[in-house]
Amino acid sequence: DARVTQTPRHKVTEMGQEVTMRCQPILGHNTVFWYRQTMMQGLELLAYFRNRAPLDDSGMPKDRFSAEMPDATLATLKIQPSEPRDSAVYFCASGFKAGGPAEQFFGPGTRLTVL
Amino acid sequence: QQQVKQSPQSLIVQKGGIPIINCAYENTAFDYFPWYQQFPGKGPALLIAIRPDVSEKKEGRFTISFNKSAKQFSLHIMDSQPGDSATYFCAVIFLFGNEKLTFGTGTRLTIIP
Repeated sequence: DARVTQTPRHKVTEMGQEVTMRCQPILGHNTVFWYRQTMMQGLELLAYFRNRAPLDDSGMPKDRFSAEMPDATLATLKIQPSEPRDSAVYFCASGFKAGGPAEQFFGPGTRLTVL
Repeated sequence: QQQVKQSPQSLIVQKGGIPIINCAYENTAFDYFPWYQQFPGKGPALLIAIRPDVSEKKEGRFTISFNKSAKQFSLHIMDSQPGDSATYFCAVIFLFGNEKLTFGTGTRLTIIP
C-alpha cells in the first residue's frame, strides 16, 4: 500500500526553535509538494520539486523557511527560527508528472504548534 | 486575490439527499479542476477531476458539473451517506504551467442519518 509518510506527526516547540519536518514520497514519484493548512488561510502551496530540483518556492517565507530534497526518498521542510504564526498543519504530497495531470497524493500531515 | 471562491462554507444534508458544492474561478487559463475530500486528521485525497472540454463527469456517486462560460463548477453527491461527512475542497490548476494547486476555502459537509 504505497503512501506518503511524514514525520513527526505532531510537534510542539517554543518560539525561536528550529523545526524540521520530513516527508517520504511514494516510490517512483518525481514531484513533491509542500502545503500548509490553517483555518485562516486554508490550504496553500509553499514549494515544490521535480526530480529533486526546486521548481517553485514562491509561497514560502524565504527568511525563515527552507525546503530541500537530499535524495529521491526524502524531502525536508525547515523553519528557523519558528514563530507562533507558523502554527499549522504541514502537508507533503507527491505525484508522477509525465505529460498529463499529476495526481497529488497527500501525506497525513505534521501538526506544528509554536508557543 | 482569491482565485477560486467556494460555497457554502458548511452544509448539512439528510442521508440520501444530494449535497451540492459550488466553486467559481477567475482565470480562464486554468485547465484542470479537481475536488478533494478531507477527513479530520487526514490529508486531502483526490475525489474526482474534470478538464474544461467536458461539461460533466461522473464517478460512482460523485458528479462534477462544469460551466465554462460562467467559470463555475460544482460537485454533486448522489445518495449521500453519513460516511461522506468530510470537508470538500475544489481546486484549480494550470496543467502545463506551474502546477500549483489553488484550493477553495472548503465546505464542511455533514450527512445526518
